[in-house]
Amino acid sequence: DAGVTQSPTHLIKTRGQHVTLRCSPISGHKSVSWYQQVLGQGPQFIFQYYEKEERGRGNFPDRFSARQFPNYSSELNVNALLLGDSALYLCASSWLTGDSYEQYFGPGTRLTVT
Amino acid sequence: KNEVEQSPQNLTAQEGEFITINCSYSVGISALHWLQQHPGGGIVSLFMLSSGKKKHGRLIATINIQEKHSSLHITASHPRDSAVYICAVDFMYSGGGADGLTFGKGTHLIIQP
Repeated sequence: DAGVTQSPTHLIKTRGQHVTLRCSPISGHKSVSWYQQVLGQGPQFIFQYYEKEERGRGNFPDRFSARQFPNYSSELNVNALLLGDSALYLCASSWLTGDSYEQYFGPGTRLTVT
Repeated sequence: KNEVEQSPQNLTAQEGEFITINCSYSVGISALHWLQQHPGGGIVSLFMLSSGKKKHGRLIATINIQEKHSSLHITASHPRDSAVYICAVDFMYSGGGADGLTFGKGTHLIIQP
């Protein structure tokens, strides 16, 4: 079975632009979480979705939004990009919602904002 | 504030040595995860614990709920174990919904041949 997949792998954008990152969970997993990892830091929670509904949101501005589709894949959108948005964006899937289930992480999308 | 502290931040050891990485947290948890991250970013889940001890190959993870502390041990360490090891915690949350995992800053482990 394929693991969690994310696209694109790398992305370079300019300040003020918009970006869409994509995640496909492991088959059968209904929960997807998004994390931002700035260089040298641990990941920070952005969103969790379960059955197409937002179940939790971290301390990120409204420029960040996400959605989950009927096939449980997910998109993370970031508007009006800032230099500080440069980071590795990680997607994790699990069978059920919540964080007390084993989390399977994707390889990440590395976003560089110039 | 819910916090996760890891020690040491950096660890260099010789092949074959017994390795211990520690994680402590501030308040009650539902689960604790040990993760491995290699250069390039990919994260692999090693263990999820809510009590006791788990073992997988040369890796052992323990947790003491009363002391709010967990350890990850690597026996007979090998250069391929070189990676960043991250402790992540699911803090108990009474408000409903999900608040994601809270991560430690990671331990950079280098095993020299």
